[in-house]
Amino acid sequence: GDSVTQMEGPVTLSEEAFLTINCTYTATGYPSLFWYVQYPGEGLQLLLKATKADDKGSNKGFEATYRKETTSFHLEKGSVQVSDSAVYFCALSEDSNYQLIWGAGTKLIIKP
Amino acid sequence: DAGVIQSPRHEVTEMGQEVTLRCKPISGHNSLFWYRQTMMRGLELLIYFNNNVPIDDSGMPEDRFSAKMPNASFSTLKIQPSEPRDSAVYFCASSLSGVQPQHFGDGTRLSIL
Repeated sequence: GDSVTQMEGPVTLSEEAFLTINCTYTATGYPSLFWYVQYPGEGLQLLLKATKADDKGSNKGFEATYRKETTSFHLEKGSVQVSDSAVYFCALSEDSNYQLIWGAGTKLIIKP
Repeated sequence: DAGVIQSPRHEVTEMGQEVTLRCKPISGHNSLFWYRQTMMRGLELLIYFNNNVPIDDSGMPEDRFSAKMPNASFSTLKIQPSEPRDSAVYFCASSLSGVQPQHFGDGTRLSIL
């Protein structure tokens, strides 16, 4: 079945460092890919998405590119801030399917 | 615009008691999801409603759990009787016709003593 694997955390970085959180997937079809973010004490919120190969999703300085050849959707940000500290979830959804297949989440800690 | 609203935000109760969690989806959204989040198991989909009808309840752990959606603007998740292993954060999410993205509430942190 479909699955999502993301790097284990916590990931600890200093402010202004470059961020990469790895996400790879297995899917039978042509899924849409998502990154959700969960700030402390809050629900998950969509950060960015990509619906087909080579699409790049971007939001709030974060980017991720849908790479079909490597089945990856790595999250990147050029310069992180303390306010980016949160848990980041990679997820996929097959076409027209309500189900989201979730990764385990990666906790990001940014130190000033 | 109001987001998904869940209540209560925190619930602490003793084992054996009935627990009722409430959710108001975003107006106009016709799909509603209940999730459970724990450190051990991550995010688990418990049940999915479309147009107030339960479509997929395969994630409901056991008969102690039940969910209802009497109308388009309200849903409940009930646990009776509650057990300590039910302690978790429970999220409600809604979307338009099951299509992504899902919009999450801030969750109910449930502690069963």
